[in-house]
Amino acid sequence: RKEVEQDPGPFNVPEGATVAFNCTYSNSASQSFFWYRQDCRKEPKLLMSVYSSGNEDGRFTAQLNRASQYISLLIRDSKLSDSATYLCVVLREYGNKLVFGAGTILRVKS
Amino acid sequence: EPEVTQTPSHQVTQMGQEVILRCVPISNHLYFYWYRQILGQKVEFLVSFYNNEISEKSEIFDDQFSVERPDGSNFTLKIRSTKLEDSAMYFCASGRTSGYNEQFFGPGTRLTVL
Repeated sequence: RKEVEQDPGPFNVPEGATVAFNCTYSNSASQSFFWYRQDCRKEPKLLMSVYSSGNEDGRFTAQLNRASQYISLLIRDSKLSDSATYLCVVLREYGNKLVFGAGTILRVKS
Repeated sequence: EPEVTQTPSHQVTQMGQEVILRCVPISNHLYFYWYRQILGQKVEFLVSFYNNEISEKSEIFDDQFSVERPDGSNFTLKIRSTKLEDSAMYFCASGRTSGYNEQFFGPGTRLTVL
């Protein structure tokens, strides 16, 4: 079983749509969780950290369910510029190794 | 806003040659990392470095790989004898502290081994 699993997509949505991505992780000792965004052939860029209480940053909302080992990202009012690959990333309890999911492709169309 | 920088942006080399990839982490960061991404695949951890020594490395990081912080600003990844399968994007990252803090990535070096 992969340590971090994501639906690869692609998700094709119109501008203004709301889209949700899900991610599961297998290591229950994982302590920190992140969503990164990656544009084609570019570096991963931190979108937001994910906290147990849930957190929101503008149009983006992230949720963590430790019992189910499940992380989600909700994007409201999608923009063309949101088109990218969204990476679910987990930090293990010990060490500093980030474990990446394979990513979910989002395409926002006008 | 401070950022991680990497040079060169693209390196082409012949199989068996040595390459050195260079990174300048964010200045007040103490933890440094190398990751790689083979085209079409996920980002994979190679090595973490703190206090002038390796703190963790993956099974990919074999004897052909080494890292060094030769001065107060640079962080390098050396591949001693490159193989075709080393062709990938190599990302340097840095973090202010360990554990819960975020890691920030440089723009990457695309390594092509012929």
